[in-house]
Amino acid sequence: DGGITQSPKYLFRKEGQNVTLSCEQNLNHDAMYWYRQDPGQGLRLIYYSQIVNDFQKGDIAEGYSVSREKKESFPLTVTSAQKNPTAFYLCASQQGVIANQPQHFGDGTRLSIL
Amino acid sequence: SQQGEEDPQALSIQEGENATMNCSYKTSINNLQWYRQNSGRGLVHLILIRSNEREKHSGRLRVTLDTSKKSSSLLITASRAADTASYFCATDNIIQGAQKLVFGQGTRLTINP
Repeated sequence: DGGITQSPKYLFRKEGQNVTLSCEQNLNHDAMYWYRQDPGQGLRLIYYSQIVNDFQKGDIAEGYSVSREKKESFPLTVTSAQKNPTAFYLCASQQGVIANQPQHFGDGTRLSIL
Repeated sequence: SQQGEEDPQALSIQEGENATMNCSYKTSINNLQWYRQNSGRGLVHLILIRSNEREKHSGRLRVTLDTSKKSSSLLITASRAADTASYFCATDNIIQGAQKLVFGQGTRLTINP
């Protein structure tokens, strides 16, 4: 079955700690995206990558970092610089880089502060 | 940068009734997409409508697009309890030279049995 896998489903962060959220896709999609969703809100773009070894900042990149060493993988690190990290994080992928294709989403990681 | 705005924010109807959700946006678009999100899950793509299309159907879903009014509507006919979810519109937007999706804040739909 092709799809996107996010792990873990729940994650807790201590003060001053960096945490990494995993996102893996086996759809052979070129583009991958990270979104943040706060309760009752829409999605805000954190980072996106259209090709391996390249990525771009979205609307709310401060306090986050990413890497794209493999086509299948796009991990997101929430650094200690992100002062309000509690949210639902969604990873998505898309065939091609033009926004005329549907995005496929994982089932998210819920991050909370200890 | 919020592009689409859904209306209403929340909608509660009886099973079997039709549900209509609206989306308005600010700048010109090439296409508009609708997604569904069940509680605690990722988004699922429903329909993509291009700027030169006025209406599109998929099963019990009907989407319209009025580019002159910069608005779209999603109609779900003969609603079922399983349709309970949040529904988001997303428009393509050129940001920093790249074409990306911008999501609205969603309509929370509740179908009462």
